[in-house]
Amino acid sequence: TQLLEQSPQFLSIQEGENLTVYCNSSSVFSSLQWYRQEPGEGPVLLVTVVTGGEVKKLKRLTFQFGDARKDSSLHITAAQPGDTGLYLCAGDYGGSQGNLIFGKGTKLSVKP
Amino acid sequence: NAGVTQTPKFQVLKTGQSMTLQCAQDMNHEYMSWYRQDPGMGLRLIHYSVGAGITDQGEVPNGYNVSRSTTEDFPLRLLSAAPSQTSVYFCASRLRGPGNTIYFGEGSWLTVV
Repeated sequence: TQLLEQSPQFLSIQEGENLTVYCNSSSVFSSLQWYRQEPGEGPVLLVTVVTGGEVKKLKRLTFQFGDARKDSSLHITAAQPGDTGLYLCAGDYGGSQGNLIFGKGTKLSVKP
Repeated sequence: NAGVTQTPKFQVLKTGQSMTLQCAQDMNHEYMSWYRQDPGMGLRLIHYSVGAGITDQGEVPNGYNVSRSTTEDFPLRLLSAAPSQTSVYFCASRLRGPGNTIYFGEGSWLTVV
């Protein structure tokens, strides 16, 4: 059974600070996705990373895929209160079914 | 743009009652799935389907049934509700293949008393 460990589980920071969320597995992903979920809504895709060592940027968010495709990180620069939410990583291990394994999530709170 | 539509949004059940959560998507996605989300547990896969007439179990299938008679619809049935099934349920769909975006419905909040 593949496991996806996400850390930290909770993060409370002040506006303007930087933060990093980590997602790790002992297995190799064929791709990894990051989602953001707001209260009362379903998760929404932020980015998909596929190639080992890949770095993608989305405004103040930087996503990195490890060289061995077993880990990923999400870095937010100068966090804003609008970044508050639940961040989820999800790994695709390449099975024929296309099922995703989700991490437990990081609940981020950015205080003004 | 409907995307993935789930109903009902909120439901309270008594222990032992049965009910069906409805899910429909209008994107012609082959793959559909149901997840439950509990505090501190993330999203856990209940059942999934890779096409009409094909369903399979996920990580936590006990107490739930599904069917896929059409590409668009993927209902989730609770046969005899238990308090342990109190959760938020999300239906999702995607095109088959690695790296494709998974689209989630808005969720169904279920409380079993």
